[in-house]
Amino acid sequence: EVQLVESGGGLVQPGGSLRLSCAASGFPFSNYWIHWVRQAPGKGLVWVSRTNNDGSTTEYADSVKGRFTISRDNAKNTLYLQMKSLRAEDTAVYYCARENAGYDFADYWGQGTLVTVSS
Amino acid sequence: SYVLTQPPSVSVAPGQTARITCEGNNIGRKSVHWYQQKPGQAPVVIVYDDSDRPSGIPERFSGSNSGNTATLIISRVDAGDEADYYCQLWDSSSDHYVFGTGTTVTV
Repeated sequence: EVQLVESGGGLVQPGGSLRLSCAASGFPFSNYWIHWVRQAPGKGLVWVSRTNNDGSTTEYADSVKGRFTISRDNAKNTLYLQMKSLRAEDTAVYYCARENAGYDFADYWGQGTLVTVSS
Repeated sequence: SYVLTQPPSVSVAPGQTARITCEGNNIGRKSVHWYQQKPGQAPVVIVYDDSDRPSGIPERFSGSNSGNTATLIISRVDAGDEADYYCQLWDSSSDHYVFGTGTTVTV
């Protein structure tokens, strides 16, 4: 069974940092592109970042470029999102999601982890 | 950046058909995917590549895509279909996923 489990969310002050993790199981992690998608409370889905199967290619939404870094450790089947210079508008549930092998959509999602940026 | 616009809400009576549009510039030239999200849950893909369904998704869910509009069609709607629905595509010009603004379906 494919599983993605996020962790690392919590309350952080504006300007602070946080690292999210996404532990994957039930599939060959190193074969798949993985994404981060976020959803502010009561709002819609917003794509954040993605990385290719070996971490050599990364892409970011303009709103997080230069502040967030996506990475992965294939030996640990884990995806990361290092977030710096956090702002109130970064408050959201952060989901990791696996990209389908044949098409550019997310076929499996984690349950999400909540990040709250507030003083 | 590429923008996908959906109606904020759609209301439909049980047993009727709901149509949710997703508008974007020449969207018919792109592959569009649809997700269903129920409160407190992660999104689930219900239609991919304009009109294909993943295994386990009922045939009541279908899709089309042409010109500047993609459409998700839910036939024989029931209370269990109440959810938020999002369209999504890959914008090759920016190398970004793009999600639609989302539509709340009320039965």
